Amino acid sequence: AQSVTQLGSHVSVSEGALVLLRCNYSSSVPPYLFWYVQYPNQGLQLLLKYTSAATLVKGINGFEAEFKKSETSFHLTKPSAHMSDAAEYFCAVSDRWQGAQKLVFGQGTRLTINP
Amino acid sequence: SQTIHQWPATLVQPVGSPLSLECTVEGTSNPNLYWYRQAAGRGLQLLFYSVGIGQISSEVPQNLSASRPQDRQFILSSKKLLLSDSGFYLCAWRPGFTEAFFGQGTRLTVV
Repeated sequence: AQSVTQLGSHVSVSEGALVLLRCNYSSSVPPYLFWYVQYPNQGLQLLLKYTSAATLVKGINGFEAEFKKSETSFHLTKPSAHMSDAAEYFCAVSDRWQGAQKLVFGQGTRLTINP
Repeated sequence: SQTIHQWPATLVQPVGSPLSLECTVEGTSNPNLYWYRQAAGRGLQLLFYSVGIGQISSEVPQNLSASRPQDRQFILSSKKLLLSDSGFYLCAWRPGFTEAFFGQGTRLTVV
């Protein structure tokens, strides 16, 4: 069954610094992968998705992620952090075929931006 | 355009009382529907998903149940709430098997 592991439940960076949030997946075949952001007491908003086109995926708010099959990873990055990026981030995985109905999320990473 | 409605936004219920949370989707047909629970520090736990009317898959055996009486309606229920049922409940829909779109969530506190 597919699963995702987000390394680091809390990440803290300075404003203007690189943001790197880690996600590793487990799936028998290359899956669909997603990153979502959640602000307090709100639903989740899609940042970006990988569905088998380019392995480097660009999303909203300056975020991007790279699908690396050899490392089973889909890490989220942003070159320069902004105060408004403070939120919780979730990586999610869905199989392409069998079991594609399930969308499974990681435990989340809370990003704090220091002024 | 498609929209998802989830209500109520907050709910405080005593232990042992019943629960009914409703989620509806507009502007699409035959969506895949999901219920997730988010407990403090525990990420997003998939509770139920449905690919059609009356078709419910349960991921976690627990005190909750789900039903899909209409194509765009997904209901989360409990006959008797436990303290451990407290959390933030999120409904989501998917047009196929790519990204999901989420409602604004229901904050449930069982007292």
